[in-house]
Amino acid sequence: GENVEQHPSTLSVQEGDSAVIKCTYSDSASNYFPWYKQELGKGPQLIIDIRSNVGEKKDQRIAVTLNKTAKHFSLHITETQPEDSAVYFCAASSRFNRNTGFQKLVFGTGTRLLVSP
Amino acid sequence: IAGITQAPTSQILAAGRRMTLRCTQDMRHNAMYWYRQDLGLGLRLIHYSNTAGTTGKGEVPDGYSVSRANTDDFPLTLASAVPSQTSVYFCASSDSWGTDNGYTFGSGTRLTVV
Repeated sequence: GENVEQHPSTLSVQEGDSAVIKCTYSDSASNYFPWYKQELGKGPQLIIDIRSNVGEKKDQRIAVTLNKTAKHFSLHITETQPEDSAVYFCAASSRFNRNTGFQKLVFGTGTRLLVSP
Repeated sequence: IAGITQAPTSQILAAGRRMTLRCTQDMRHNAMYWYRQDLGLGLRLIHYSNTAGTTGKGEVPDGYSVSRANTDDFPLTLASAVPSQTSVYFCASSDSWGTDNGYTFGSGTRLTVV
Protein backbone atom coordinates (compact mmCIF):
# COMPACT_ATOMS: atom_id res chain seq x y z
CA GLY A 1 0.00 0.00 0.00
CA GLU A 2 0.93 3.65 0.06
CA ASN A 3 3.70 4.66 2.41
CA VAL A 4 5.26 7.96 3.41
CA GLU A 5 8.56 8.01 5.28
CA GLN A 6 9.67 11.14 7.10
CA HIS A 7 13.10 12.06 8.47
CA PRO A 8 14.42 13.05 10.88
CA SER A 9 12.08 12.22 13.76
CA THR A 10 13.61 15.02 15.82
CA LEU A 11 15.57 18.09 14.78
CA SER A 12 17.23 20.66 17.00
CA VAL A 13 18.54 23.93 15.57
CA GLN A 14 19.69 27.29 16.83
CA GLU A 15 17.54 30.33 16.22
CA GLY A 16 18.40 31.78 12.81
CA ASP A 17 19.59 28.50 11.34
CA SER A 18 17.78 26.65 8.57
CA ALA A 19 15.84 23.43 9.07
CA VAL A 20 15.13 20.78 6.46
CA ILE A 21 12.68 17.90 6.80
CA LYS A 22 12.55 15.21 4.13
CA CYS A 23 9.84 12.79 3.04
CA THR A 24 9.69 9.99 0.52
CA TYR A 25 6.55 8.41 -0.88
CA SER A 26 5.87 5.13 -2.60
CA ASP A 27 2.86 5.72 -4.89
CA SER A 28 3.83 7.18 -8.25
CA ALA A 29 0.20 8.37 -8.66
CA SER A 30 0.50 10.79 -5.74
CA ASN A 31 -0.08 14.33 -6.98
CA TYR A 32 -0.63 16.48 -3.90
CA PHE A 33 1.85 17.01 -1.06
CA PRO A 34 0.82 19.15 1.93
CA TRP A 35 2.79 19.98 5.07
CA TYR A 36 1.19 20.44 8.47
CA LYS A 37 2.44 22.08 11.66
CA GLN A 38 1.14 20.84 14.98
CA GLU A 39 1.71 22.92 18.08
CA LEU A 40 1.39 21.40 21.53
CA GLY A 41 -2.19 20.59 22.42
CA LYS A 42 -3.55 21.62 19.03
CA GLY A 43 -4.57 19.97 15.81
CA PRO A 44 -2.35 19.95 12.72
CA GLN A 45 -2.54 23.09 10.60
CA LEU A 46 -1.76 23.30 6.90
CA ILE A 47 1.25 25.54 6.30
CA ILE A 48 2.17 24.90 2.68
CA ASP A 49 1.39 22.46 -0.10
CA ILE A 50 2.66 21.59 -3.54
CA ARG A 51 1.18 19.82 -6.52
CA SER A 52 2.95 17.45 -8.86
CA ASN A 53 3.20 19.92 -11.72
CA VAL A 54 5.37 22.25 -9.63
CA GLY A 55 8.96 21.69 -8.47
CA GLU A 56 9.19 24.32 -5.77
CA LYS A 57 6.93 26.66 -3.84
CA LYS A 58 7.83 29.40 -1.37
CA ASP A 59 5.89 31.30 1.24
CA GLN A 60 8.01 33.76 3.19
CA ARG A 61 10.43 31.69 5.31
CA ILE A 62 9.12 28.29 4.29
CA ALA A 63 9.56 26.46 1.02
CA VAL A 64 8.77 23.01 -0.29
CA THR A 65 10.59 21.18 -3.07
CA LEU A 66 9.38 18.14 -4.98
CA ASN A 67 11.34 15.59 -6.98
CA LYS A 68 8.80 13.33 -8.68
CA THR A 69 11.41 11.15 -10.29
CA ALA A 70 12.97 10.28 -6.96
CA LYS A 71 9.59 10.44 -5.17
CA HIS A 72 10.72 12.71 -2.43
CA PHE A 73 9.79 16.15 -1.18
CA SER A 74 11.23 18.42 1.46
CA LEU A 75 10.25 21.29 3.74
CA HIS A 76 12.77 24.08 4.19
CA ILE A 77 12.47 26.66 6.96
CA THR A 78 14.95 29.53 6.87
CA GLU A 79 15.84 31.96 9.66
CA THR A 80 14.16 29.73 12.23
CA GLN A 81 12.49 31.29 15.24
CA PRO A 82 11.47 29.75 18.60
CA GLU A 83 7.82 29.89 17.50
CA ASP A 84 8.68 27.47 14.70
CA SER A 85 9.11 24.79 17.37
CA ALA A 86 6.41 22.19 16.74
CA VAL A 87 5.78 18.80 15.17
CA TYR A 88 5.70 18.86 11.37
CA PHE A 89 3.91 16.26 9.24
CA CYS A 90 4.26 15.66 5.55
CA ALA A 91 1.56 13.90 3.56
CA ALA A 92 1.00 12.55 0.07
CA SER A 93 -2.24 11.89 -1.75
CA SER A 94 -3.12 8.29 -2.44
CA ARG A 95 -4.14 6.84 -5.78
CA PHE A 96 -7.78 7.64 -6.55
CA ASN A 97 -9.99 4.65 -5.74
CA ARG A 98 -12.66 4.29 -8.41
CA ASN A 99 -14.68 1.88 -6.25
CA THR A 100 -14.97 4.16 -3.24
CA GLY A 101 -14.64 7.48 -5.04
CA PHE A 102 -12.08 8.39 -2.43
CA GLN A 103 -8.56 9.75 -2.50
CA LYS A 104 -6.96 10.04 0.92
CA LEU A 105 -3.88 11.64 2.39
CA VAL A 106 -1.17 9.36 3.75
CA PHE A 107 0.81 11.02 6.54
CA GLY A 108 4.42 10.69 7.59
CA THR A 109 5.23 9.93 11.21
CA GLY A 110 6.20 13.50 12.07
CA THR A 111 9.30 15.53 12.90
CA ARG A 112 9.65 17.31 16.21
CA LEU A 113 11.50 20.58 15.53
CA LEU A 114 13.05 22.43 18.46
CA VAL A 115 14.45 25.91 17.85
CA SER A 116 16.66 27.13 20.67
CA PRO A 117 17.07 30.87 21.32
CA ILE B 1 -15.02 31.52 13.86
CA ALA B 2 -15.27 28.93 11.09
CA GLY B 3 -13.73 25.60 11.80
CA ILE B 4 -14.14 22.24 13.47
CA THR B 5 -15.34 21.70 17.01
CA GLN B 6 -14.54 18.47 18.82
CA ALA B 7 -15.95 17.36 22.16
CA PRO B 8 -14.97 16.38 24.73
CA THR B 9 -11.41 17.73 24.82
CA SER B 10 -10.37 14.84 27.05
CA GLN B 11 -11.94 11.82 28.65
CA ILE B 12 -10.98 8.95 30.91
CA LEU B 13 -13.10 5.92 30.10
CA ALA B 14 -13.46 2.53 31.73
CA ALA B 15 -12.78 -0.43 29.47
CA GLY B 16 -15.96 -1.91 28.07
CA ARG B 17 -17.88 1.36 28.12
CA ARG B 18 -19.42 2.95 25.07
CA MET B 19 -18.24 6.41 24.04
CA THR B 20 -19.11 8.86 21.27
CA LEU B 21 -16.67 11.54 20.21
CA ARG B 22 -18.42 14.51 18.65
CA CYS B 23 -17.26 16.51 15.65
CA THR B 24 -19.03 19.48 14.06
CA GLN B 25 -17.86 21.72 11.24
CA ASP B 26 -19.38 24.97 10.00
CA MET B 27 -17.52 25.29 6.70
CA ARG B 28 -20.00 23.22 4.68
CA HIS B 29 -17.20 20.86 3.73
CA ASN B 30 -18.32 17.73 1.92
CA ALA B 31 -15.68 15.35 3.22
CA MET B 32 -14.89 14.52 6.84
CA TYR B 33 -12.36 12.23 8.48
CA TRP B 34 -11.40 10.70 11.79
CA TYR B 35 -7.74 10.10 12.63
CA ARG B 36 -5.99 8.74 15.67
CA GLN B 37 -2.56 9.99 16.61
CA ASP B 38 -0.16 7.77 18.50
CA LEU B 39 3.48 8.48 19.33
CA GLY B 40 5.77 7.30 16.56
CA LEU B 41 2.89 6.30 14.30
CA GLY B 42 1.75 9.65 13.03
CA LEU B 43 -1.86 10.10 11.94
CA ARG B 44 -3.83 7.01 10.97
CA LEU B 45 -7.20 7.19 9.26
CA ILE B 46 -10.04 5.44 11.09
CA HIS B 47 -13.10 6.29 8.98
CA TYR B 48 -14.04 8.86 6.41
CA SER B 49 -17.14 10.28 4.72
CA ASN B 50 -17.16 11.67 1.19
CA THR B 51 -20.52 13.36 1.66
CA ALA B 52 -23.57 13.26 3.91
CA GLY B 53 -25.07 9.78 3.96
CA THR B 54 -21.92 7.89 2.98
CA THR B 55 -19.04 6.54 5.06
CA GLY B 56 -15.99 4.39 4.44
CA LYS B 57 -13.31 2.51 6.34
CA GLY B 58 -9.79 3.80 6.72
CA GLU B 59 -6.60 2.04 7.84
CA VAL B 60 -7.65 1.19 11.41
CA PRO B 61 -11.48 0.93 11.53
CA ASP B 62 -11.89 -2.03 13.91
CA GLY B 63 -13.70 -1.13 17.12
CA TYR B 64 -15.02 2.15 15.73
CA SER B 65 -18.14 3.22 13.89
CA VAL B 66 -19.26 6.50 12.34
CA SER B 67 -22.37 8.08 10.91
CA ARG B 68 -22.97 11.09 8.67
CA ALA B 69 -26.60 12.10 8.95
CA ASN B 70 -25.91 15.65 7.74
CA THR B 71 -23.10 17.76 6.33
CA ASP B 72 -21.96 19.27 9.60
CA ASP B 73 -21.73 16.37 12.05
CA PHE B 74 -19.52 13.29 12.00
CA PRO B 75 -19.57 11.43 15.35
CA LEU B 76 -17.16 8.57 16.11
CA THR B 77 -18.41 5.79 18.40
CA LEU B 78 -16.40 3.26 20.37
CA ALA B 79 -18.91 0.50 21.09
CA SER B 80 -16.85 -1.20 23.81
CA ALA B 81 -13.64 0.64 24.60
CA VAL B 82 -10.35 -1.21 25.05
CA PRO B 83 -7.02 0.13 26.39
CA SER B 84 -5.44 0.02 22.92
CA GLN B 85 -7.88 2.74 21.91
CA THR B 86 -6.10 5.15 24.21
CA SER B 87 -5.02 7.88 21.83
CA VAL B 88 -5.58 11.42 20.65
CA TYR B 89 -8.40 11.58 18.12
CA PHE B 90 -8.62 14.25 15.46
CA CYS B 91 -11.55 15.08 13.24
CA ALA B 92 -10.81 16.80 9.93
CA SER B 93 -12.70 18.06 6.90
CA SER B 94 -12.04 19.15 3.34
CA ASP B 95 -14.20 20.86 0.75
CA SER B 96 -13.97 17.98 -1.71
CA TRP B 97 -13.62 14.23 -1.49
CA GLY B 98 -10.44 14.48 -3.42
CA THR B 99 -7.24 15.97 -2.11
CA ASP B 100 -7.10 19.13 -4.14
CA ASN B 101 -7.13 21.10 -0.95
CA GLY B 102 -5.69 20.58 2.47
CA TYR B 103 -7.58 19.34 5.46
CA THR B 104 -8.83 21.46 8.36
CA PHE B 105 -8.31 19.69 11.69
CA GLY B 106 -10.07 20.06 15.00
CA SER B 107 -8.18 20.47 18.27
CA GLY B 108 -8.48 16.82 19.19
CA THR B 109 -9.92 14.60 21.92
CA ARG B 110 -7.48 12.92 24.27
CA LEU B 111 -8.99 9.59 25.28
CA THR B 112 -7.60 7.33 27.97
CA VAL B 113 -9.15 3.87 28.37
CA VAL B 114 -8.38 2.25 31.70
